Amino acid sequence: DQQVKQNSPSLSVQEGRISILNCDYTNSMFDYFLWYKKYPAEGPTFLISISSIKDKNEDGRFTVFLNKSAKHLSLHIVPSQPGDSAVYFCAAVRGSQGNLIFGKGTKLSVKP
Amino acid sequence: EAGVVQSPRYKIIEKKQPVAFWCNPISGHNTLYWYLQNLGQGPELLIRYENEEAVDDSQLPKDRFSAERLKGVDSTLKIQPAELGDSAVYLCASRKGQGSTEAFFGQGTRLTVV
Repeated sequence: DQQVKQNSPSLSVQEGRISILNCDYTNSMFDYFLWYKKYPAEGPTFLISISSIKDKNEDGRFTVFLNKSAKHLSLHIVPSQPGDSAVYFCAAVRGSQGNLIFGKGTKLSVKP
Repeated sequence: EAGVVQSPRYKIIEKKQPVAFWCNPISGHNTLYWYLQNLGQGPELLIRYENEEAVDDSQLPKDRFSAERLKGVDSTLKIQPAELGDSAVYLCASRKGQGSTEAFFGQGTRLTVV
């Protein structure tokens, strides 16, 4: 049973527009949520995280929103750039030292 | 600061042969993970170390997989014997420890079993 779900395998967005990547989870005990970005033939790179006690965290062009009642989080990228084209993984962790549990990823393509 | 270093980057072996992967985590990081990533899937945990202790190896197929983290620094993951279904990317990650949630990944080792 998947605890972290990314239901959209792919997303295509025009350069300069907003990219919205979604993630759902089933375990209400998760304390932190993280987003990772992965280019081909490279390991995942940490992007941004959010604590379960917050509903928004922003870092430059990247903002993560958390809706605990819906067990849903989203990553917004504004404005999208061609270099943002990659696979984005949502991950969740219980406690500050637990295991990262990943979704299957969403492949983002930003077209010039 | 150097990142997580893994070697080799690529490995091709015949089935039933042994194979080993090596990981050097970021200096000072107490937590070390080994993850397995199949094509089109997210990383799946194999084993987690806190210093030299394996605190979660529940997902490690112990009949053929083994791991060690001597002195709480470098780690080795071994498969013996390898099967065709073991073809995947093996990722190592490390995390600083208390109060730090993000883990940093190496580039991974792509294993192909033929």
